[in-house]
Amino acid sequence: NAGVTQTPKFQVLKTGQSMTLQCAQDMNHNSMYWYRQDPGMGLRLIYYSASEGTTDKGEVPNGYNVSRLNKREFSLRLESAAPSQTSVYFCASTLTGVREYFGAGTRLSVL
Amino acid sequence: SQQGEEDPQALSIQEGENATMNCSYKTSINNLQWYRQNSGRGLVHLILIRSNEREKHSGRLRVTLDTSKKSSSLLITASRAADTASYFCATEEKGGSEKLVFGKGTKLTVNP
Repeated sequence: NAGVTQTPKFQVLKTGQSMTLQCAQDMNHNSMYWYRQDPGMGLRLIYYSASEGTTDKGEVPNGYNVSRLNKREFSLRLESAAPSQTSVYFCASTLTGVREYFGAGTRLSVL
Repeated sequence: SQQGEEDPQALSIQEGENATMNCSYKTSINNLQWYRQNSGRGLVHLILIRSNEREKHSGRLRVTLDTSKKSSSLLITASRAADTASYFCATEEKGGSEKLVFGKGTKLTVNP
């Protein structure tokens, strides 16, 4: 049972490049989330998906797009990366009203 | 804006001592959760306390919730060097859409 799997683990981009962060969970969870974590900060919600086929903006959605491909997968896309998007990105999933399970994170640097 | 705010931001203690971290929040909640994050890793769930509960225990962890003061505390008893990590509270707002709002965390260092 792998839990929440994120790929890649590390990525370096140049300003203006695009990329997609992948997330998959094998726990049959309905809800999935993308967060970013910056030094000395907690996690800030970028986008979330309460069920397959639905997505909603979180606290810091600008510059990102998401896609809930199916119940298992929730991807985060940066269309034109900016240095301000340098961060550690976490994907999480949950059943209704209980704990969230987190992936190991993707460390992204935008030069 | 972030709802949970932990206090203190950093805490350094000796092995065997107790560590207490506090969390304050602003709105009505369904539940409050505490997570732990080791350096360079993802978050791991520690404990969840529902809005109608006042205290909960799990091993060396004790969590209290005071909804009238909109605050919670996490107590780690008999701390160990392996407890060194950052600890975050997260709240699920009442009537919200199952989103968690995280605080900025308390960085705990337990010295051997």
